[in-house]
Amino acid sequence: GENVEQHPSTLSVQEGDSAVIKCTYSDSASNYFPWYKQELGKGPQLIIDIRSNVGEKKDQRIAVTLNKTAKHFSLHITETQPEDSAVYFCAASRPNDYKLSFGAGTTVTVRA
Amino acid sequence: EAGVAQSPRYKIIEKRQSVAFWCNPISGHATLYWYQQILGQGPKLLIQFQNNGVVDDSQLPKDRFSAERLKGVDSTLKIQPAKLEDSAVYLCASSLETKGITLFFGQGTRLTVV
Repeated sequence: GENVEQHPSTLSVQEGDSAVIKCTYSDSASNYFPWYKQELGKGPQLIIDIRSNVGEKKDQRIAVTLNKTAKHFSLHITETQPEDSAVYFCAASRPNDYKLSFGAGTTVTVRA
Repeated sequence: EAGVAQSPRYKIIEKRQSVAFWCNPISGHATLYWYQQILGQGPKLLIQFQNNGVVDDSQLPKDRFSAERLKGVDSTLKIQPAKLEDSAVYLCASSLETKGITLFFGQGTRLTVV
């Protein structure tokens, strides 16, 4: 099955700085790559996703890039704010599979 | 719209006891998932239902775990007997298949086996 690796496991940034989280996947057939944010005591929530037919997608302060050749994708958060502190998970899915394989998560702490 | 509802929020049991979790997905969502999230790890799929049929239960430890989804709506996940390594958060999620694979997660049930 699909194997997703995520780095780093923890990330501490100064408020206003950028944060970058990287993931690699093993199955070249995977074509859907979402990112989920999990706040303490809550379930993960989708924040952005990208499909294999595009290389980059932006939504306000967050962006995701995809390199299909290298089989890796990244989450970029600019101008970080305290409310960005959470655990972020990347995931991957194969066509018509309707299930996600998750990375191990990155704990992001934004220092005021 | 109402989100995915799960109960209980917390459960503490002794090893070898049994426990059951309940999930009510978002109305109209055909696909329902149970994930196990061990502390410090990403969610791991246990079972996936499409309406009331099982699509994938390859990662479900069937000697102790069972799940059902009656009438294609609510679902229960049971563990019997529980082991210490079953301590985790059990997340239920649902998706509206026609809109792709966006998963909507419940808050989860935190299980502690002592």
